[in-house]
Order: sequence, then structure tokens, then C-alpha cells
Amino acid sequence: RKEVEQDPGPFNVPEGATVAFNCTYSNSASQSFFWYRQDCRKEPKLLMSVYSSGNEDGRFTAQLNRASQYISLLIRDSKLSDSATYLCVVNTGRRALTFGSGTRLQVQP
Amino acid sequence: ETGVTQSPTHLIKTRGQQVTLRCSSQSGHNTVSWYQQALGQGPQFIFQYYREEENGRGNFPPRFSGLQFPNYSSELNVNALELDDSALYLCASSLRGRYEQYFGPGTRLTVT
Repeated sequence: RKEVEQDPGPFNVPEGATVAFNCTYSNSASQSFFWYRQDCRKEPKLLMSVYSSGNEDGRFTAQLNRASQYISLLIRDSKLSDSATYLCVVNTGRRALTFGSGTRLQVQP
Repeated sequence: ETGVTQSPTHLIKTRGQQVTLRCSSQSGHNTVSWYQQALGQGPQFIFQYYREEENGRGNFPPRFSGLQFPNYSSELNVNALELDDSALYLCASSLRGRYEQYFGPGTRLTVT
């Protein structure tokens, strides 16, 4: 079983739609959680950290459920520029970030 | 503030050869991590360097080695290249004790 699992998509949504991505992780000792965004053939960029209380940054909302070992990302009012791969990332307190394989989002006009 | 930089951008090597990839960390960051990203996959952790010493290693063979220099820049060396080593190699820098890592643009290595 993969340490971090994501639905690969693609999610094809119209501009203005709300879309949600989910992710599960297997290591209950995981301590820190992130969403990264990766455009085609580019490096991953930190989108937001995910806190137990949930957090919001503009159109983006992230939630963490430690009991279910589940992380979510909600994007409201989708823009064409949101088209990318979204990577769910977990840190277990070791040195490494553990990445999911990513969920592809395509926002269509 | 200068971001993470990597060189070269692209590289083509032949199976059995050796390669060195370079990374300069973001200004003020003292920890460097290296990742390998195969097509369609998330990045996989290779190792991390702090204070010029390896500080953690993923599931990669010893022919993957690295260095960190006093100015926090780093090198990734891969010996005896195999076809499966073809990938995007990403360097990420961070502050010691912080979990957020910031990535450079990567080096795309093709092994033929």
C-alpha cells in the first residue's frame, strides 16, 4: 500500500466550479501535511500547509482529519490558471517529504 | 531573496556513465534535500544534507551520493547510470527544524 494515496484524475471542471481533492495517508505518526501544486514539466510549489483546525487561503481551503488519516483540498471559483497537478504531501517527522502521485485538474473555459 | 537554483537544466548521458547535478539553496536555508521524480509519479526522497553531512536517506542504492558545501549548496552524484535513472531530479531547501521545503526547477536527466 502506498504511504500517500490520491485519485489521479483527471478532474475536468468548468471555470467557476468548485472542486475537491482527497488524499489518505497510512502512517499515523505523520506530523505535517501540505498541498503542493505542480505545473507540467515544472517544479512542485508549496500551495499551503494543512492544520488540524483547517485553514483557508483565498479560494483554497484545506482540511485534515487525523482520526481517518485523510486530507482534503477545496478550490472554489476555479480559474483556468488553476489547471495543474495537485500533490498531497506528508512528513512523518523524518527528514523526507512523502508525496502522493498527484491529482490532475483541468479547468475548461 | 534568491530562490533555489539547479544546474544543468537538461542532461543526456549513456548507460554506465557518471553524472553530477548541482543545487544552490534558497538564501538563508541550511538544509538541502534531493528527490527523483519519474514521469507520472510524485517525487521520491533520495537524501538530505545538513551541516555538510547526510541527514537521512530514502530507498536509493549507494551509487547515489551527495555532498553539501559550507555555503549550503549541494551536489548529487550518480554512478553507473541505468536507463531507469532517467527522471527529473529536484533539489529542495529548507530551514533546519521546519518541514516546508522549497524546490528548484530541476534537472531533467535522460539515460540512453
